[in-house]
Amino acid sequence: EIVLTQSPGTLSLSPGERATLSCRASKSVSSGYLAWYQQKPGQAPRLLIYGASNRAPGIPDRFSGSGSGTDFSLTISRLEAEDFAVYYCQQYGNSPMYTFGQGTKVDIK
Amino acid sequence: QVQLVQSGAEVRRPGASLKVSCKASGYIFTSFFMHWLRQTPGQRPEWMGRVDPGDGGTTYEQKFQGRLTLTRDASTNTIYMELSGLRSDDTAVYYCARGRSGWYLFDNWGQGTLVTVSS
Repeated sequence: EIVLTQSPGTLSLSPGERATLSCRASKSVSSGYLAWYQQKPGQAPRLLIYGASNRAPGIPDRFSGSGSGTDFSLTISRLEAEDFAVYYCQQYGNSPMYTFGQGTKVDIK
Repeated sequence: QVQLVQSGAEVRRPGASLKVSCKASGYIFTSFFMHWLRQTPGQRPEWMGRVDPGDGGTTYEQKFQGRLTLTRDASTNTIYMELSGLRSDDTAVYYCARGRSGWYLFDNWGQGTLVTVSS
């Protein structure tokens, strides 16, 4: 089973700053099948990125994903107020094809 | 636009069963798997199972085998999640989520249903 480890646990930043979140897999993620989700309090997760670097429909271009193999990252180029949330990575290329990382919280500094 | 609307919050006693619904709209119901996940506060989502709305075929996470039943009603575009033998550690928010392109990639989610199991 692939284990996804996200870092840091919490990222404290100000609006307008750049955020870089990391997701490291214990084994290579097949075909870069790595997704990122955003979750705000009291809401369901929302798909941001799939295939490591493809934005889901309606996702602003300040969100970008990169990486391959075992190391992936999500970058938010300039944080806006609505971006403060918890972010999860998830792999869907290796059995079991639904493992999530433990999450990174982006909060306001 | 794609919408998944779940039924409301539930409270159950330990040992009871519950059934949560998820009504889909805005797309061809039979063309996308529907998954169920659950989440407790501060934890990552946990995948429970999926159903093929086309033929009703199901796949369940092993830990829920024997307690979880996913069904669908194609006439109303509704998916049902039934969980039996409830325990206190089943207290969670339960989500339905549409699977993209047959993958375990969840591109649209219901709003969540809070289930509380307490004596």
